[in-house]
This record gives sequence, structure tokens and C-alpha cells, in this order.
Amino acid sequence: AQTVTQSQPEMSVQEAETVTLSCTYDTSESDYYLFWYKQPPSRQMILVIRQEAYKQQNATENRFSVNFQKAAKSFSLKISDSQLGDAAMYFCAYRGMDSNYQLIWGAGTKLIIKP
Amino acid sequence: NAGVTQTPKFRILKIGQSMTLQCAQDMNHNYMYWYRQDPGMGLKLIYYSVGAGITDKGEVPNGYNVSRSTTEDFPLRLELAAPSQTSVYFCASSYFGTSSTDTQYFGPGTRLTVL
Repeated sequence: AQTVTQSQPEMSVQEAETVTLSCTYDTSESDYYLFWYKQPPSRQMILVIRQEAYKQQNATENRFSVNFQKAAKSFSLKISDSQLGDAAMYFCAYRGMDSNYQLIWGAGTKLIIKP
Repeated sequence: NAGVTQTPKFRILKIGQSMTLQCAQDMNHNYMYWYRQDPGMGLKLIYYSVGAGITDKGEVPNGYNVSRSTTEDFPLRLELAAPSQTSVYFCASSYFGTSSTDTQYFGPGTRLTVL
């Protein structure tokens, strides 16, 4: 069975600096999707970025980028120029091709932004 | 375009009571999901549906039931509420097709307490 691990329960970063959140996963599939979701205090789950495993190029969305290392089964999220509004729980999620489209979630990392 | 809506936002139940959590989406998505999020944890899939009239169990279906009579609505029924069902419940939807991104969009959540 697939698993997703986020080893950092909490991270903090100074405003305007860069922070990297870690995610590793375990799977025997060769094709799958990986996601980072943000959950602010409002509880709404917001998609941050999405990566298809067959694409070698790392996904980017404005200040958010990923470092996808398929062989190492690692999918880290880099947030550049951190802003106060980035403070939230960040969840890494995996979706395989044979999983009936279910997302497998990590336990989350709480990101604190210091002004 | 409201996206995914959920009602109620908060609810307190007594042990043994029943209730229905409502979920609706206006994006014409074919897939819909129900998740629960326990404190400090990621999301766990309760039930999902790939289209009207078709539902299937996820990782933690016990104590819950669903129906999908229309594309838009996907209610979750709790029968005989138990304290273990105290959680935040999220509904999500996605479109899966030949040219879709298959990204899941989430509702704002329902915080349920069973006393």
C-alpha cells in the first residue's frame, strides 16, 4: 500500500525568506500524481501545486516550486519570498493510477511565518 | 460559481443520534469524495462516487452511508453517532476525463462533535 510521510511537524521561517517542506512517499507504481495542499486556519483545503510523475520537469506556481526526485521518492515544496499569508498547514498527497483516484495524505507540516 | 458547498459548518450530536451532512458542487464534476480529518492528521477517505448512482467505500466507511442521486449532490449520512466520529468532514469533487487535470476541489468543511 502507498504511504506518504511528512517528517517535519512544524517549520518556521522569517518573512521574505525561503523555506522547504519535505515529503517522501512509498509506491510500486511508475505513474502517479503528487500534490501539495494548503490548509489555512479557515480549514479550506487549497491546491498549491501538482506534479505528474512522468514529467521530469519540476512544477512551479509563482513563488511555489517543487523538487521532485522520482528515484528517491521525494517531493519537497519550496516557498520563496515567504509571506504572512503563507502561514498554514501544508499537506502532501499522492494519487496512483490504480487507486480508484483516492488521495493518500501525509500528516501535514505546520508552517509559521515570523514577521 | 460557488464551487463545493457544505452544510452545516458546525454540529454537536448526542451519542446515538443521526444526521446528514450535505455537499453540493456546481462545477459539473463527475467524481465526489467524503473525507474526515482528525486532529493533527491528514485526511482519510470515507466514501467516493464516480458518477450519479455509483458509490464505493474508501478507507474508513464504517458508521457512514452515502448516496448520489444527482451529479451535483453527495450527502453523507451518520447513523447512531459515536464519539469516535468527532472530526472535521470535508467534501471534495473533481473531473476525470480525457483532458482533465483531475484536481480535487474542497468544500469548507463541517466540524462535528459527538458527546
